[in-house]
Amino acid sequence: GENVEQHPSTLSVQEGDSAVIKCTYSDSASNYFPWYKQELGKRPQLIIDIRSNVGEKKDQRIAVTLNKTAKHFSLHITETQPEDSAVYFCAASSIYNQGGKLIFGQGTELSVKP
Amino acid sequence: DSGVTQTPKHLITATGQRVTLRCSPRSGDLSVYWYQQSLDQGLQFLIQYYNGEERAKGNILERFSAQQFPDLHSELNLSSLELGDSALYFCASSVVPSTTYEQYFGPGTRLTVT
Repeated sequence: GENVEQHPSTLSVQEGDSAVIKCTYSDSASNYFPWYKQELGKRPQLIIDIRSNVGEKKDQRIAVTLNKTAKHFSLHITETQPEDSAVYFCAASSIYNQGGKLIFGQGTELSVKP
Repeated sequence: DSGVTQTPKHLITATGQRVTLRCSPRSGDLSVYWYQQSLDQGLQFLIQYYNGEERAKGNILERFSAQQFPDLHSELNLSSLELGDSALYFCASSVVPSTTYEQYFGPGTRLTVT
């Protein structure tokens, strides 16, 4: 069935360091891969996404890479700041086959220490 | 603010009861998705409606049902509530799944079953 594995479950870095979160998906029909940031008790917020026809996308300090052959995608945050501390979720979706429902990874709790 | 609204914010009820959660999508969005977030299950897709019709279904319990009305707002009905139904329930909306991929989440309804 559809599954998204996300690692690590917790990540602690020093302010200014980089953070990398990795996800693997199982459904080869997946063609859209968003990343969400969720602060405690709040809604998931879309921070970046990538479609299957692109290998990499960057937005300021955040970048996402996609390897369709290996069914891997990753989130890279550079120059981390304390306000980056939150839970990050990756997700995979098959827009054409399944209407766009998101299958989420288990989440990564990122802690950025000043 | 994503433009997606959900009511109520909090709901406390007893086992065996029935509740209704309401979601209004962003202006212009035709598609509504419901997700459940619990500590042990993470973020899970429940059901999707597009322009009033059910489009996709996840692992939604038979005790749960949903509908989307002509004005595009959606309601999620949860009946015969159990302690394990305590969770955050989010709805998300998107314009048209096949052309616009992004889903924006509402603030959620926190359901506590006692």
